[in-house]
Amino acid sequence: KAGVTQTPRYLIKTRGQQVTLSCSPISGHRSVSWYQQTPGQGLQFLFEYFSETQRNKGNFPGRFSGRQFSNSRSEMNVSTLELGDSALYLCASSGGDTQYFGPGTRLTVL
Amino acid sequence: GQQLNQSPQSMFIQEGEDVSMNCTSSSIFNTWLWYKQDPGEGPVLLIALYKAGELTSNGRLTAQFGITRKDSFLNISASIPSDVGIYFCAGPRDSNYQLIWGAGTKLIIKP
Repeated sequence: KAGVTQTPRYLIKTRGQQVTLSCSPISGHRSVSWYQQTPGQGLQFLFEYFSETQRNKGNFPGRFSGRQFSNSRSEMNVSTLELGDSALYLCASSGGDTQYFGPGTRLTVL
Repeated sequence: GQQLNQSPQSMFIQEGEDVSMNCTSSSIFNTWLWYKQDPGEGPVLLIALYKAGELTSNGRLTAQFGITRKDSFLNISASIPSDVGIYFCAGPRDSNYQLIWGAGTKLIIKP
């Protein structure tokens, strides 16, 4: 089975721009979770989608949004980028309790 | 709310040494997961534990699900350079499928 894929792997944006990140889960998995990880920090939960509906949400501002498509692929969007949004964004897919992660998208905001 | 306390925060060890880290919670968990993250990559699942008292091995790694269901331990025997990374514990939050994560234990091997 193919693993979780994320595109792009690296991205450089400037303040005020918006960005869209993509995640393709493991085939058959219907849950996709997104996390933000800044250097030296743990995993900060953004949100989780299941069957195209947001099922859980973390404590991030409304500039962070996401969606899930009928094929379970998910996108997250960050609008009006700030310098502090520079981070590794991780996507994880799940068919139960266990989450399987993609390689992440490294976003740098200049 | 549910929280996972992971310790130690970091460890400096010599190659060949055994390593032990743990994760505790004030709440009961029904599943304990241990992940390892290499720099710049996503975490990779090492071991999943589903039953109180369960002891599971994966090569040189051994993890245990505490009897009280409020803790878990991960041991690495005879550490090697590729063991360097951050180890996370995680468990599912009650009834809403979201995983709760520990802050991680950073393993550094002294040259």
